[in-house]
Amino acid sequence: GAVVSQHPSRVICKSGTSVKIECRSLDFQATTMFWYRQFPKQSLMLMATSNEGSKATYEQGVEKDKFLINHASLTLSTLTVTSAHPEDSSFYICSARDGRRSQYFGPGTRLLVL
Amino acid sequence: AQSVTQLDSHVSVSEGTPVLLRCNYSSSYSPSLFWYVQHPNKGLQLLLKYTSAATLVKGINGFEAEFKKSETSFHLTKPSAHMSDAAEYFCVVSGARQLTFGSGTQLTVLP
Repeated sequence: GAVVSQHPSRVICKSGTSVKIECRSLDFQATTMFWYRQFPKQSLMLMATSNEGSKATYEQGVEKDKFLINHASLTLSTLTVTSAHPEDSSFYICSARDGRRSQYFGPGTRLLVL
Repeated sequence: AQSVTQLDSHVSVSEGTPVLLRCNYSSSYSPSLFWYVQHPNKGLQLLLKYTSAATLVKGINGFEAEFKKSETSFHLTKPSAHMSDAAEYFCVVSGARQLTFGSGTQLTVLP
């Protein structure tokens, strides 16, 4: 089956620094990738939808200047959390959609901001 | 617009007994529906999906779900729970643009 990877799987950073998370579709091309955020014991909340070669579409309440999304190729999307603060600590999950509109999820990235 | 409601935030069953996780959906057109499982600190694993074919959908690990349009439900069942089934389960409905997740049901399996 289709595989989506995320790197890193977990990251700890100091408050005020920026963190980049990569999402890759390993064996298919994904014109659309999605970024979700999950707080402990809560459901996934869609943050943004990114289409290859164009600007991401952010959900209401998500700061686009804080969560920078780049979808530079059909197999790679990156989420950069800029000037991270402790309240940004969360589990970030990406997914990638293939040509048949099936969506595959990455294993997630645990971010802890100290 | 679409929405999904998972009726139970927590379900506890004994090992070897049946599992029922309830899900109701709302959609303005024929939806695609999914069940995902998430083990602690792990990503999502697709259990099964309904895409307008057979209303009874069989998934992995012995799980199945039945799409009932008249009841707008897509409940997940398993005849006999195993300890390894303990996890968080999400019912998901697919819209034109994105997936909408239910709030999740935490399944506990007691020995």
